[in-house]
Amino acid sequence: ETGVTQSPTHLIKTRGQQVTLRCSSQSGHNTVSWYQQALGQGPQFIFQYYREEENGRGNFPPRFSGLQFPNYSSELNVNALELDDSALYLCASSPETGAANEKLFFGSGTQLSVL
Amino acid sequence: QKEVEQNSGPLSVPEGAIASLNCTYSDRGSQSFFWYRQYSGKSPELIMSIYSNGDKEDGRFTAQLNKASQYVSLLIRDSQPSDSATYLCAVHPGGSYIPTFGRGTSLIVHP
Repeated sequence: ETGVTQSPTHLIKTRGQQVTLRCSSQSGHNTVSWYQQALGQGPQFIFQYYREEENGRGNFPPRFSGLQFPNYSSELNVNALELDDSALYLCASSPETGAANEKLFFGSGTQLSVL
Repeated sequence: QKEVEQNSGPLSVPEGAIASLNCTYSDRGSQSFFWYRQYSGKSPELIMSIYSNGDKEDGRFTAQLNKASQYVSLLIRDSQPSDSATYLCAVHPGGSYIPTFGRGTSLIVHP
């Protein structure tokens, strides 16, 4: 186990609703990244937070937003849910940011289904 | 767009054989390369990293990197049924600390 915890593990929402996913990073890690993994695809980078600031963003619309707290835990918020948002959402923590050899430690993920 | 390509498989090998998984990438400036294993319904876990041309061995796993040809591979010796999983290749494009993942190769090791 990596020590990265995510909640909830499963979630069912309807189109148009809003959702908040949570992540606690591994002890000693100050960087949290969020990924979306659709079935049969690799993880797609959503954004990264470093010391409570957004530190990079992938090709996702503004309705995907996030926060990082002083204890380095993080939230992913998605507004106006669409059917295509159904996916496994992964949180990954790392001990530092900006390093080319940065290794990711993933949580167990939240499986989101949008009906 | 910086891309990482993997054959989705499935790659099926008998128990005890060598499994060879390949990954190609488009950005010549890429510096860091990772292999993650993902069991069905689980999250990815890091199994190997490699930064220099050549081979890097860790137990039954060997990562191979050829920057001139822009490919990285993972060899699994003495494959076991417990190795059955999807293997994700992740590459840090040049100048970026955000890895790009391939879609993964499904490996099936049959007894």
